[in-house]
Amino acid sequence: AQKITQTQPGMFVQEKEAVTLDCTYDTSDPSYGLFWYKQPSSGEMIFLIYQGSYDQQNATEGRYSLNFQKARKSANLVISASQLGDSAMYFCAMREGGQVTNAGKSTFGDGTTLTVKP
Amino acid sequence: DSGVTQTPKHLITATGQRVTLRCSPRSGDLSVYWYQQSLDQGLQFLIQYYNGEERAKGNILERFSAQQFPDLHSELNLSSLELGDSALYFCASSVVDGINYEQYFGPGTRLTVT
Repeated sequence: AQKITQTQPGMFVQEKEAVTLDCTYDTSDPSYGLFWYKQPSSGEMIFLIYQGSYDQQNATEGRYSLNFQKARKSANLVISASQLGDSAMYFCAMREGGQVTNAGKSTFGDGTTLTVKP
Repeated sequence: DSGVTQTPKHLITATGQRVTLRCSPRSGDLSVYWYQQSLDQGLQFLIQYYNGEERAKGNILERFSAQQFPDLHSELNLSSLELGDSALYFCASSVVDGINYEQYFGPGTRLTVT
């Protein structure tokens, strides 16, 4: 079964508006971390935000926030005040902490391509 | 700039050949991870080394092998290359492993097998 599901292959947003990118995950491990990465057309992977399974509050980093709904197993990325430079592919990823030797192993979703329109 | 370096940036080779991809982690990082990004398979974890020892293995083919040297740089060796091995290969590093440690990605090596 897919461990990370990103159901939106492509999304469009108007500049300066907010956008939500969806991510659902599947794990039976009580300890896990959720990550979002941005991959611009140049190809590099840029870390955006992290949420731990035991974190009580939703993570925020500047214009990025993670809407973490544990019971629903969702970890949606919210980008506020979109900019043209936000146009990129966005990946949701998970690491499971049950086995310490596997804690660095990231599982990625298929990604969402975000296009910001001027 | 993440501080992780990968060489070469681009590699074009023929089927059946063998190539070596090199990665230098950020200064002080003990863990090195290799990922493959292809159109067919998406982003996949291949293998992790921690302070010279293999730590975790993912969907790495038997034709692929890796190692981490005493100076902590790592090499990914791909042999008997097939067209389907064409992909972007990322190396990432972190101080230690663990679910809450950020992995810093290198710029990637784009491998084209013809």
